[in-house]
Amino acid sequence: ETGVTQTPRHLVMGMTNKKSLKCEQHLGHNAMYWYKQSAKKPLELMFVYSLEERVENNSVPSRFSPECPNSSHLFLHLHTLQPEDSALYLCASSQVGGAGYEQYFGPGTRLTVT
Amino acid sequence: QQQVKQSPQSLIVQKGGISIINCAYENTAFDYFPWYQQFPGKGPALLIAIRPDVSEKKEGRFTISFNKSAKQFSLHIMDSQPGDSATYFCAASKNSGYALNFGKGTSLLVTP
Repeated sequence: ETGVTQTPRHLVMGMTNKKSLKCEQHLGHNAMYWYKQSAKKPLELMFVYSLEERVENNSVPSRFSPECPNSSHLFLHLHTLQPEDSALYLCASSQVGGAGYEQYFGPGTRLTVT
Repeated sequence: QQQVKQSPQSLIVQKGGISIINCAYENTAFDYFPWYQQFPGKGPALLIAIRPDVSEKKEGRFTISFNKSAKQFSLHIMDSQPGDSATYFCAASKNSGYALNFGKGTSLLVTP
């Protein structure tokens, strides 16, 4: 439960605001992920960082901007969002290059765009 | 296109019964199949996972059955308990990749 932490847990923002989501992993992993979870949809992978380099960007709009300053921290910077961006944003981490690709998730940030 | 299809969308089981959730995939390159459990207000937690070199894996009351030729795998929860009430997600990935392809989830309710 405490292996991956996310702040804030809840965020309400207007369409013209700028905010950032923070994720920290305490598992010693070398890869970190951002996912979007919307009602009645599969979890959508947004970004992947491996060894602090972005390795995947799944056609995410530029109003979402990730940042990975080191292997333990991951940010998602938000600006000029749309109401359809309201969702649960989940961070995950894993150890790439090991025996498997088990991903461990944080509790998520519930984002509401008004 | 959705790479992993999960059914049913929701499931109600009596306490002590068996809960069965099914998933199907198309990409034969997938070689890692985890199941995640998610409670309200929490992130998904890894429950159990299987690789295609075995047809079944059991951990306590949870069993994954894997049918490589049919490209299907399922989660069985034996002796289901009210505390098992949660949303369950199947997923699949390639060992060479990072992405976990998730199913849409099954909302399980175990009644007392």
